Amino acid sequence: NAGVTQTPKFQVLKTGQSMTLQCAQDMNHNSMYWYRQDPGMGLRLIYYSASEGTTDKGEVPNGYNVSRLNKREFSLRLESAAPSQTSVYFCASSDWVNEQFFGPGTRLTVL
Amino acid sequence: GENVEQHPSTLSVQEGDSAVIKCTYSDSASNYFPWYKQELGKGPQLIIDIRSNVGEKKDQRIAVTLNKTAKHFSLHITETQPEDSAVYFCAAHFNKFYFGSGTKLNVKP
Repeated sequence: NAGVTQTPKFQVLKTGQSMTLQCAQDMNHNSMYWYRQDPGMGLRLIYYSASEGTTDKGEVPNGYNVSRLNKREFSLRLESAAPSQTSVYFCASSDWVNEQFFGPGTRLTVL
Repeated sequence: GENVEQHPSTLSVQEGDSAVIKCTYSDSASNYFPWYKQELGKGPQLIIDIRSNVGEKKDQRIAVTLNKTAKHFSLHITETQPEDSAVYFCAAHFNKFYFGSGTKLNVKP
């Protein structure tokens, strides 16, 4: 089992460019999440998907969109990147209200 | 929504000493409280969790206590070792997960 995988691991964008962060899990989990982590601020929820076919906003959704492509995959899209979106992005999955498993993260820099 | 506060933000202990990290939450409906350890350059990993119908849980050198009345829960690490050095996050679940801001633990050999 690979657990939760994320691509890419690193990315540098220019302001205004777009990109999609990919996430996949092989644990047959129902719920998937996207977080961003900034120094001193812990993990902040961007969007989550409680089950296949549903998505909901988290604490900081502005500037992002998500797609729950199927039960395994949950992507995060930045339509027009801004320097304020420079962060480390983590995808996670869980089986309802149970342990979350996190991916290795994507380190994004927006110039 | 839920608000989780975590203290202290940094903690330095001598190897072999105990470390305690405390979190408070605001919504009494929260029912699941995990603790995560994050090593440099990696994603967080669960180390212990507790549900709202339990007051204490222990796993070797790690224990978590929950006080529902006061709405706080704590992580206790005994006999600390240098490999315990990392950032620790608490979280509370009510519809979704809410995380504390993290505690950087440094265990000095």
